[in-house]
Amino acid sequence: DGGITQSPKYLFRKEGQNVTLSCEQNLNHDAMYWYRQDPGQGLRLIYYSQIVNDFQKGDIAEGYSVSREKKESFPLTVTSAQKNPTAFYLCASSTSMNTEAFFGQGTRLTVV
Amino acid sequence: ELKVEQNPLFLSMQEGKNYTIYCNYSTTSDRLYWYRQDPGKSLESLFVLLSNGAVKQEGRLMASLDTKARLSTLHITAAVHDLSATYFCAVDPAFLNNDMRFGAGTRLTVKP
Repeated sequence: DGGITQSPKYLFRKEGQNVTLSCEQNLNHDAMYWYRQDPGQGLRLIYYSQIVNDFQKGDIAEGYSVSREKKESFPLTVTSAQKNPTAFYLCASSTSMNTEAFFGQGTRLTVV
Repeated sequence: ELKVEQNPLFLSMQEGKNYTIYCNYSTTSDRLYWYRQDPGKSLESLFVLLSNGAVKQEGRLMASLDTKARLSTLHITAAVHDLSATYFCAVDPAFLNNDMRFGAGTRLTVKP
């Protein structure tokens, strides 16, 4: 089955730690995205990538980093510079035309 | 900068009633998407609207797009409890840039 997979589903981070959230898709989509969602809020764009080896900052990129070495994979690293990382993180992908986005199931990150 | 505004943000309605959710956006775009999110879950694509005047219907939901007014509506007909969820609209600001922007969401509660 084609789809987009995020892991882990739940993640706990200690203060000062870097953590990496995984996002893999087998839909052959060129574009991939990371969003952050805080309780009761909408989605805010962190980073997006239109093609392998290229990515752009979204609205709230500070404290986050990404890579796009393979078409299928777009991991997000939450660095210690992100002061308030507790949130629900959603990865999505879309084709480059008629860009309906398909979402993964999300990773809930909590700082302990 | 693209701004996407939804209203209302909270909507409580009784079963059997009709209501409309509005999505306004600030920049020229002819691609708009509606998504549904259940509590603690990911986003499910509902509608993709790709041209001025586009209208799509699925069950008790109907979405339309007026690109000249920069407005999309999601109309709910004869609401049922199963429609309780948060609904998001999302807009692509330009044809080649896949950096979709989301509204804040409308949290719909349908009461028996």
